Amino acid sequence: GAGVSQTPSNKVTEKGKYVELRCDPISGHTALYWYRQSLGQGPEFLIYFQGTGAADDSGLPNDRFFAVRPEGSVSTLKIQRTERGDSAVYLCASSPYRRGRQETQYFGPGTRLLVL
Amino acid sequence: GENVEQHPSTLSVQEGDSAVIKCTYSDSASNYFPWYKQELGKGPQLIIDIRSNVGEKKDQRIAVTLNKTAKHFSLHITETQPEDSAVYFCAASEGNEKLTFGTGTRLTIIP
Repeated sequence: GAGVSQTPSNKVTEKGKYVELRCDPISGHTALYWYRQSLGQGPEFLIYFQGTGAADDSGLPNDRFFAVRPEGSVSTLKIQRTERGDSAVYLCASSPYRRGRQETQYFGPGTRLLVL
Repeated sequence: GENVEQHPSTLSVQEGDSAVIKCTYSDSASNYFPWYKQELGKGPQLIIDIRSNVGEKKDQRIAVTLNKTAKHFSLHITETQPEDSAVYFCAASEGNEKLTFGTGTRLTIIP
């Protein structure tokens, strides 16, 4: 079946601009996660959605970062006033939900963001 | 919060030999430990995982062991092949929670 898809695959923007990154999870997966991966590092957690609501946004680095999932499926990560330090690969993952048990997180290919 | 350390950062082995990657975690409440393989330009792909109620799990050439007392877990790849070359990440989680990843191991299989 179709996996997690992310668009765009690459995004180049200028410092100070606004960007939106999109994630389409696996159909039926109620849990959706955003991670950020800097070069040579492991993915770092940003935010977790259970359905439409953000269950944990403790990883968002500051208020320039925001994410939504209005219908419980597609999610958009929004970054305002981009900075060069925001350059990274933004990964989205989805999983089925089972209370109290971590299910496998399936990752998309990521969006490579470069802020000039 | 959880902290995961991973060693070594790079590992080169002859084709056919075994490779072992080790991780330690800090949060005793963590109960799920996946391993991901990441190839250049792609997202991480799960290769095996283990939960805290078992000490070892095997899937063909890949095995994972978990020592909850010592808070460490290891990935073992036997009979390595060139296609095993990639970056491998360990991670830890406490049930329906975010994954905390290690810093990765770049594995190179020498033909």
